[in-house]
Amino acid sequence: EDQVTQSPEALRLQEGESSSLNCSYTVSGLRGLFWYRQDPGKGPEFLFTLYSAGEEKEKERLKATLTKKESFLHITAPKPEDSATYLCAVPPTNDYKLSFGAGTTVTVRA
Amino acid sequence: DTEVTQTPKHLVMGMTNKKSLKCEQHMGHRAMYWYKQKAKKPPELMFVYSYEKLSINESVPSRFSPECPNSSLLNLHLHALQPEDSALYLCASSQGEQGGQKLFFGSGTQLSVL
Repeated sequence: EDQVTQSPEALRLQEGESSSLNCSYTVSGLRGLFWYRQDPGKGPEFLFTLYSAGEEKEKERLKATLTKKESFLHITAPKPEDSATYLCAVPPTNDYKLSFGAGTTVTVRA
Repeated sequence: DTEVTQTPKHLVMGMTNKKSLKCEQHMGHRAMYWYKQKAKKPPELMFVYSYEKLSINESVPSRFSPECPNSSLLNLHLHALQPEDSALYLCASSQGEQGGQKLFFGSGTQLSVL
């Protein structure tokens, strides 16, 4: 069964303390892995799409990487405004709809 | 314009009320979606419209009734809801319906059913 698993569930960081979030997936024939950021009470905001192992994408303090079984979202020198829930999602093997992971809630303290 | 606009932002309704949620996009996207999200959970797909036709209904109770009047608008009509239906309702759109499409989400409607 296709699955998307995110870890850790929650991450508390000091401002400037770099860290990584993990998204592991079991979908065969990956048609893209998506990262979204969601602020409380708001809709998810698209960050990145990764399609093939070895691919990397960056946006400000965020960098997403992809291997054959997992993706990492690296947060470098985070600021309080990076506090949010980060969701990863993949389309399952024989379906079109996105399968979301449960998310990692990141809190960055000043 | 890369926005998906949802109204209202907040809604409180009784179990006997009828209300509607509205969603609009002007990106020329041909697929539009309704998702439901409970607190601290990921979004769950409810409905998909592709080229203004309902293509997916994820076994959603009939008290939720979607409507797509045209390619830019999506409504969700609510009737006789239950308190457990309280959640954040998200609208999204994408260029196509196929897997691997980037979704653009609205800010959501926070619904409370009393």
